[in-house]
Amino acid sequence: GENVEQHPSTLSVQEGDSAVIKCTYSDSASNYFPWYKQELGKRPQLIIDIRSNVGEKKDQRIAVTLNKTAKHFSLHITETQPEDSAVYFCAASVHQGAQKLVFGQGTRLTINP
Amino acid sequence: KAGVTQTPRYLIKTRGQQVTLSCSPISGHRSVSWYQQTPGQGLQFLFEYFSETQRNKGNFPGRFSGRQFSNSRSEMNVSTLELGDSALYLCASSPEAGGYGNTIYFGEGSWLTVV
Repeated sequence: GENVEQHPSTLSVQEGDSAVIKCTYSDSASNYFPWYKQELGKRPQLIIDIRSNVGEKKDQRIAVTLNKTAKHFSLHITETQPEDSAVYFCAASVHQGAQKLVFGQGTRLTINP
Repeated sequence: KAGVTQTPRYLIKTRGQQVTLSCSPISGHRSVSWYQQTPGQGLQFLFEYFSETQRNKGNFPGRFSGRQFSNSRSEMNVSTLELGDSALYLCASSPEAGGYGNTIYFGEGSWLTVV
């Protein structure tokens, strides 16, 4: 089955700098890659997603890139702010009549003022 | 639109008991899935339901079961609770569309503590 590896497990950056989180997946049939942000005690919230027919997607300060050949995708956050501090999860999914997200282990991002 | 609603939010159970958790999806969403979140294992898929049918199941023992009703509301049940079942149980819903994956929205979760 699908396996998703996420790195790094913790990341600390200065406010205003960029943060990059990387994920690799194993199943070449995976075609949907969402990223979720989870604040302490809260639910995971979708921040951006990308489908396998697209190489890059951007939404204000957040961007995701996908390399299908290498089977990896990355989250880029620019001009980081204190409210970006949270745990970020990547996931991969194969839609074959049903949907199942396989999550990475998460990255705890801390923005230092 | 109201989001995914889960009840109860917090509960404490004793080993050996059973528990039922409830989930109401976003209006119009027909797919409901359940995930278990623990510090050690992360977010793990339990099962997914669509039109009252289980379409996919994760690697959990048979003590974990679920169902979906005709109004898309879903319940999950854990029988013979073990200490290791202590976790945040997240329900998620998504609209159904063919082809690529659908956007999945999570509820606030039910925090289960087994003592």
